[in-house]
Amino acid sequence: QKEVEQNSGPLSVPEGAIASLNCTYSDRVSQSFFWYRQYSGKSPELIMSIYSNGDKEDGRFTAQLNKASQYVSLLIRDSQPSDSATYLCALKKEYGNKLVFGAGTILRVKS
Amino acid sequence: EAQVTQNPRYLITVTGKKLTVTCSQNMNHEYMSWYRQDPGLGLRQIYYSMNVEVTDKGDVPEGYKVSRKEKRNFPLILESPSPNQTSLYFCASSPKAHSNYGYTFGSGTRLTVV
Repeated sequence: QKEVEQNSGPLSVPEGAIASLNCTYSDRVSQSFFWYRQYSGKSPELIMSIYSNGDKEDGRFTAQLNKASQYVSLLIRDSQPSDSATYLCALKKEYGNKLVFGAGTILRVKS
Repeated sequence: EAQVTQNPRYLITVTGKKLTVTCSQNMNHEYMSWYRQDPGLGLRQIYYSMNVEVTDKGDVPEGYKVSRKEKRNFPLILESPSPNQTSLYFCASSPKAHSNYGYTFGSGTRLTVV
């Protein structure tokens, strides 16, 4: 079982809709979770971090964490074509400061 | 501008010819790490460094070496590259070795070994 699981997609949504990206993880000890956006051929860019159960909002982005269900999600409101990218879910391991990444979900926003 | 700088961006080399990919950060970060990214396998950690002179293996260290003589620099060395090391490489840094901070990534180095 992979430590971080994501649906590879592609997830297609129309412009202006809400995109919902999901991630499950197996390490119950992990406390820190991150969402990165990666455009094709570019480096991952940190867009959200979340450490506590519940929701965290930043502009059009909302991260949700449910530690009991070992589930992290990212909602993108008012999706734009420029949001089309691969979204990587990551958790930080307790030892070694390592970030473990999921394989990513491809998001396509159609205008 | 706060950043992680990798060089070169693109590199084509032949099997067995030693090469070094440089990584430098200007944010006074303690923690630095190298990842490789391959289709279907995602990002995998090669080596990491908690601070100057402190390095350790990640998940896929075979065929690679690193050093951390200065806080800002963390070069990745391939002593005898092989075709299975063809990949997209990223250097990353984080403020503290034990923290809730995420990583800042460099622009990447696309390496092809023929």
